[in-house]
Amino acid sequence: DADVTQTPRNRITKTGKRIMLECSQTKGHDRMYWYRQDPGLGLQLIYYSFDVKDINKGEISDGYSVSRQAQAKFSLSLESAIPNQTALYFCATSDSQGHGYTFGSGTRLTVV
Amino acid sequence: DQQVKQNSPSLSVQEGRISILNCDYTNSMFDYFLWYKKYPAEGPTFLISISSIKDKNEDGRFTVFLNKSAKHLSLHIVPSQPGDSAVYFCAASVYNTDKLIFGTGTRLQVFP
Repeated sequence: DADVTQTPRNRITKTGKRIMLECSQTKGHDRMYWYRQDPGLGLQLIYYSFDVKDINKGEISDGYSVSRQAQAKFSLSLESAIPNQTALYFCATSDSQGHGYTFGSGTRLTVV
Repeated sequence: DQQVKQNSPSLSVQEGRISILNCDYTNSMFDYFLWYKKYPAEGPTFLISISSIKDKNEDGRFTVFLNKSAKHLSLHIVPSQPGDSAVYFCAASVYNTDKLIFGTGTRLQVFP
């Protein structure tokens, strides 16, 4: 099993729909992150969580929300999806040092 | 405001030669720098890192150089191999925050 598992791997949804992307990890790490990747823009931080009770906004949090259900689970929601949220989404975890991130394989989301 | 910049979107190198990937940053508070490698349909994987108190770190065929006065770091791959063909992301963390800021990536192609 992968250390960081993201579901679904691919998703096509319609504008205005609510969608949830899920992430679970077996690394035992406290810190979890959600990034999105767009061509030419690299990886941009959406939200991050340093423990179950700690949620923080990243660079591009507008239009997104998150839930840290347990140490191992961190989900990302798009309340009302719009086409410019079409991107590749990555979940990552890190240990207390925060430097060596472990990434999931990504979720490719298309909003039509 | 792009704090971490990779100005070359792509690089093509012959097998056996040296690959040099460059990264510039603007934030003098960055204390740790990392390189990640990404293959298609996979998440980024950690490659090598360097603390801001050092100017060089080596791991096998990979060496990272840091020039703090120029706010510049580079990744050298010697010798380059076809399996090194991937997108390489430079990343940096701000002292005491544990968040990573990523560059836009450089696509390296190593040809026979």
